Amino acid sequence: GAVVSQHPSRVICKSGTSVKIECRSLDFQATTMFWYRQFPKQSLMLMATSNEGSKATYEQGVEKDKFLINHASLTLSTLTVTSAHPEDSSFYICSARVPGRNEQFFGPGTRLTVL
Amino acid sequence: RKEVEQDPGPFNVPEGATVAFNCTYSNSASQSFFWYRQDCRKEPKLLMSVYSSGNEDGRFTAQLNRASQYISLLIRDSKLSDSATYLCVVRPGGNEKLTFGTGTRLTIIP
Repeated sequence: GAVVSQHPSRVICKSGTSVKIECRSLDFQATTMFWYRQFPKQSLMLMATSNEGSKATYEQGVEKDKFLINHASLTLSTLTVTSAHPEDSSFYICSARVPGRNEQFFGPGTRLTVL
Repeated sequence: RKEVEQDPGPFNVPEGATVAFNCTYSNSASQSFFWYRQDCRKEPKLLMSVYSSGNEDGRFTAQLNRASQYISLLIRDSKLSDSATYLCVVRPGGNEKLTFGTGTRLTIIP
C-alpha cells in the first residue's frame, strides 16, 4: 500500500507555456498532499500544502499565482506552473500522508525543463 | 542555523564496513523523525522512522537523542546497493510539514 503516482514523469516546454503536473494517491485517500521542488545537488524544499476542498497553503517566497494548486478529490492534487521560465526548471515531487500513519510517501517526481 | 543539519559527505566506504551518519535539528518541539534514502534523480523513499528508544531494521539502526537534538543512522555490513543520499527528516509538533536536511551522500566501494 501507500503508493503515490505522478504524471508526467518528464516534460520539456517552451518559455511562457503552462505545465500541469498530477499527483495521485492510488490506494488510499489523502486529505492533504504536499508539493516539493528540488534543484540539483540541493535538498527538497516544500512549496505548498494542498488541502482537499480548500485553498492550498503556500510557503514563504512561493508565488501562489504562478504555482496553481488544485486538490479537487481525495486522491488527486494538481500543480500548474504558469508562464514557465527557465529558472522554473526543477524536479517537482509530491507526497501524501496515509491517514493514521506518521510517514509521508512520495510520488516518483516530475522533471521539468523549460527552454 | 539550518533547521536540520547533516554532513553532506561524500562518504566513500568499502563494502562490508559499518558507516554512521549524524543529524542535528534546531526545533526542540519536533515530534517525528525519519531517515529517507534518495537515489540519483529519483524520489525519496522512507528508510525508517526514528523512535526515542532507538530502533533497528535489519542492518540499519536509528537513534534519537532529544536532549542533544541529535539523530543518527548506523548501517552495518554495507552493500553496494546502499549507495545513495540519506536524508534526515524532521516533523515539527502539530504540523504535518516535513523539514529535510541536505542529505549525506554515501558511496559503497567494491
